Amino acid sequence: IAGITQAPTSQILAAGRRMTLRCTQDMRHNAMYWYRQDLGLGLRLIHYSNTAGTTGKGEVPDGYSVSRANTDDFPLTLASAVPSQTSVYFCASGTAGPGELFFGEGSRLTVL
Amino acid sequence: AQSVAQPEDQVNVAEGNPLTVKCTYSVSGNPYLFWYVQYPNRGLQFLLKYITGDNLVKGSYGFEAEFNKSQTSFHLKKPSALVSDSALYFCAVRDFNQAGTALIFGKGTTLSVSS
Repeated sequence: IAGITQAPTSQILAAGRRMTLRCTQDMRHNAMYWYRQDLGLGLRLIHYSNTAGTTGKGEVPDGYSVSRANTDDFPLTLASAVPSQTSVYFCASGTAGPGELFFGEGSRLTVL
Repeated sequence: AQSVAQPEDQVNVAEGNPLTVKCTYSVSGNPYLFWYVQYPNRGLQFLLKYITGDNLVKGSYGFEAEFNKSQTSFHLKKPSALVSDSALYFCAVRDFNQAGTALIFGKGTTLSVSS
């Protein structure tokens, strides 16, 4: 069982370029999430999706967009990358109940 | 708004000694509390959760956590630390008052276990 797969694992990107981070889950979870992890700040929620076809903004949504065309996929797009978006990005999924979330291995993005 | 605080950036303990990683929370309604561990260059791994029931929750790798409603705390504990327990630990609360029902994380505590 793969769980959550994120791609790419690591990427160096020039400022101003467009970038899409991919996330796929095979657990049929309704809810999916994107977080960014920065040193000293913990994990902060960027966007979420409670179910296919719906999305919402988290704590730090500016400069990012998401789509949820189906249950399994939840891509995160940076339309025009800036250096402050250098971070490690984690995708997660979970059920609608009070249980835990499951995380991917992360995508390390460096914007120069 | 829901929030989680981890008051210690780093905890140092000798192998074989008991360890405690502290977490306090602020929620409206029932608290759904979690601990995760992160090893270098890896994703977050679930350790344990408190949803309801017994205040002492047992989880993976010998870890446990005690839910204390009056002190709004959910400290992570282990009776005997291992060097391999050295990692970054996150406390989190699941926020059902917002539409996203996401996990709200503390800033993390680095646990260092010396041999």
